[in-house]
Amino acid sequence: QVQLVQSGAEVRKPGASVKVSCKASGYTFTSYNINWVRQATGQGLEWMGWMDPKSGDIVYAQKFQGRVTMTRNTSITTAYMELRSLKSDDTGVYHCARPVCPHGVCSLGSWGQGTLVTVSS
Amino acid sequence: QSVLTQPPSVSAAPGQKVTISCSGSTSNIGNNSVSWYQHLPGTAPKLLIYDNNKRPSGIPDRFSGSRSGTSATLGITGLQTGDEADYYCGTWDSSLSVHWVFGGGTTLTVL
Repeated sequence: QVQLVQSGAEVRKPGASVKVSCKASGYTFTSYNINWVRQATGQGLEWMGWMDPKSGDIVYAQKFQGRVTMTRNTSITTAYMELRSLKSDDTGVYHCARPVCPHGVCSLGSWGQGTLVTVSS
Repeated sequence: QSVLTQPPSVSAAPGQKVTISCSGSTSNIGNNSVSWYQHLPGTAPKLLIYDNNKRPSGIPDRFSGSRSGTSATLGITGLQTGDEADYYCGTWDSSLSVHWVFGGGTTLTVL
């Protein structure tokens, strides 16, 4: 079965960077893009961007342009999301998510368990 | 401010029915399929409805979805206390580049 297993909780000071990993298994890693979605404390779900593990193509949400980098290592079927210049309102839970696309219509069907990122001085 | 608009909260008694609306525009709901997610904070969101009105395997038929024009609706019948959660609509938006958008989320309280 599809599994996305994320790295553990992180604590960072304002201005620092954090890199979250998402280990995929149970399917062909390069066949589906990986999305990153966060829930900042007290806020709703917010899409950050997606990456095609096969081509390396990336689309970032405008809000995070210049501050986020998504990468992958296909040899270990792992995707990464790095967020820089952290602020306190970046505190929240970060999820990776893989689409399911029956009949070519895609939705976010498989999710990682989430990684809590705490930004505090 | 979310691209898709949902009511912040809804409530109903156990056994009753509730609907949650999701309003968008022609660049998102009007031209793309809608999915719905159930989320308990601290856990992974769960896909409830995809392609406007289809349920993944294992999702009971108490959950239903519909789309009309630039709006979508999630319906839940036979409410149970276990249904208390946050519910989000989501779809693709092609206004700038192709990207995913969510509603602001609706908190369901089963009284």
